[in-house]
Amino acid sequence: RKEVEQDPGPFNVPEGATVAFNCTYSNSASQSFFWYRQDCRKEPKLLMSVYSSGNEDGRFTAQLNRASQYISLLIRDSKLSDSATYLCVVNREDSSYKLIFGSGTRLLVRP
Amino acid sequence: EAEVAQSPRYKITEKSQAVAFWCDPISGHATLYWYRQILGQGPELLVQFQDESVVDDSQLPKDRFSAERLKGVDSTLKIQPAELGDSAMYLCASSLRTSGYNEQFFGPGTRLTVL
Repeated sequence: RKEVEQDPGPFNVPEGATVAFNCTYSNSASQSFFWYRQDCRKEPKLLMSVYSSGNEDGRFTAQLNRASQYISLLIRDSKLSDSATYLCVVNREDSSYKLIFGSGTRLLVRP
Repeated sequence: EAEVAQSPRYKITEKSQAVAFWCDPISGHATLYWYRQILGQGPELLVQFQDESVVDDSQLPKDRFSAERLKGVDSTLKIQPAELGDSAMYLCASSLRTSGYNEQFFGPGTRLTVL
């Protein structure tokens, strides 16, 4: 079983739609959580951190449920430019402080 | 805006040949990471440096892969000999330090194709 699991998608939605991605992690030593965005054939870039209380950045809302070891990302009013792969990432703050990446969820926003 | 530099951007080689990738992190970033990303998967850490020292190379296939960061600044990742299964994107990232949360900034990557 992978340490970070995501639905690979693709999620194919029309412009203006609301879409949600989920992610589960298995290692309880995970302490920090992030969503990265990766465009086709480009490098990953940090989209937002995920805090226990939930946090919002414009059209993007991230939530964390530590008890269920579950992370979510909600995108409202989808734009064509949101088309990308969204990587769920956990930071295992034991001796290694490693970032563990999920395989990503692909989003396609159509006109 | 400061960026992580990588070269080459693309590399095509035949199996059993040697290849080398170079990374120059953001100035002042003590921690440097090499990741491998196979198509359809997330990046997987190969090796992590703190200054010139290796912090984690548990996932580095040491029989064919080597990495160095001699002066604690830029770094080289080498594969010798390359195998078909090594075809992937090799990403370099850097961050200010290892401990605690600190954002990792990625370079554009080197896309390796082994024929």
